[in-house]
Amino acid sequence: SSELTQDPAVSVALGQTVRITCQGDSLRNYYASWYQQKPGQAPVLVIYGKNNRPSGIPDRFSGSSSGNTASLTITGAQAGDEADYYCNSRDSSGNHFYVFGTGTKVTVL
Amino acid sequence: EVQLVESGGGLVQPGGSLRLSCAASGITFSTNSMNWVRQAPGKGLEWLSYITSSSTTIYYADSVKGRFTISRDNAKNSLYLQMNSLRDEDTAVYYCARDWGGEAFDLWGQGTMVTVSS
Repeated sequence: SSELTQDPAVSVALGQTVRITCQGDSLRNYYASWYQQKPGQAPVLVIYGKNNRPSGIPDRFSGSSSGNTASLTITGAQAGDEADYYCNSRDSSGNHFYVFGTGTKVTVL
Repeated sequence: EVQLVESGGGLVQPGGSLRLSCAASGITFSTNSMNWVRQAPGKGLEWLSYITSSSTTIYYADSVKGRFTISRDNAKNSLYLQMNSLRDEDTAVYYCARDWGGEAFDLWGQGTMVTVSS
């Protein structure tokens, strides 16, 4: 299957930790990358590879993977972290080259 | 400044055509693989197409295969998406994105809006 499934929405209290998950068969063969998208803005890469952060991304963002599930963890969530988050990976089904997850809306309370 | 700037969006009737452009600056465009990604209003991201630096390898999503054509001109630091036989469901913001090692999109444009409507 070329689908990556995410929970539609999660909430987290200011300063607490939230984990966003992404499930799909492709994740058994490829790492996920993660993107933050705020309203009206282009997506921004926050995690790629095993657990790599591009320059300028705070270290409160981290990634992990196990089996068919990849996770993005925000440790000590800030108000500015409220956004939509999308996972992405190469597609091992052969149908597509890349596939995006369904997206998770993170609300910081 | 490192940036990607899309252009060419607009209103087009169903069945019509449109050509999107993505101008790169501040990067060595000729060495980077590139992608097109779109986002329908209120919906998630959808990967559309990928092209290697020398245009030798190209992939498409099933949703646009046979209708859309990706291309590039390294001399002009530009990426293109020729969109034919447009449908209502092609209405979206279209982004170009730089490919990072075949595992991520590390640089995005601001997007250009395409509206397919009669």
